[in-house]
Amino acid sequence: EDQVTQSPEALRLQEGESSSLNCSYTVSGLRGLFWYRQDPGKGPEFLFTLYSAGEEKEKERLKATLTKKESFLHITAPKPEDSATYLCAVGHGSSNTGKLIFGQGTTLQVKP
Amino acid sequence: DTGVSQDPRHKITKRGQNVTFRCDPISEHNRLYWYRQTLGQGPEFLTYFQNEAQLEKSRLLSDRFSAERPKGSFSTLEIQRTEQGDSAMYLCASRPGQAGNEQFFGPGTRLTVL
Repeated sequence: EDQVTQSPEALRLQEGESSSLNCSYTVSGLRGLFWYRQDPGKGPEFLFTLYSAGEEKEKERLKATLTKKESFLHITAPKPEDSATYLCAVGHGSSNTGKLIFGQGTTLQVKP
Repeated sequence: DTGVSQDPRHKITKRGQNVTFRCDPISEHNRLYWYRQTLGQGPEFLTYFQNEAQLEKSRLLSDRFSAERPKGSFSTLEIQRTEQGDSAMYLCASRPGQAGNEQFFGPGTRLTVL
């Protein structure tokens, strides 16, 4: 059964303190690994898609990487406005519909 | 705003009542998804439309839930005889038919069943 597990569940950082969020997955035939940001009371906002091991993508202070079993979201010198829940999802391997299987998310708090 | 829109943003209802939510996808997107999200969890897939055809439904979607997408444009999700366990955020997402698997989400409808 396809499964996505994120760790840690919650992370507190001081402004400028770099760290990484982990997303471990098991899926039969990966059809994309997706990262989203979600602010309280809002829908998820798309950040990155990764398709193959070794692929990396960057956006401002965020960098996403992918291996055959996990993905990391690296946050460099975070600012308070980076505080949010970060969701990881995989494209369902055996489905042609493109539905996503999500992890439970990592809630990041960046203190000034 | 050319993003995905959902209406209403909040709905409070009493147990046993019926509710209906609407989703307007990005205009050129022919694929539409509904998800449900409870507090502290990631979204869970409910159902999928390609144009007006409903092609997949989750086992989470009981007989009390029905979704439509007439004419392949907006979609509605109806919950009949609501239960307290239906309280959640209902999210709609859309994506284009070709080139890219990214889904773009709306702001969600927060349902509270008293």
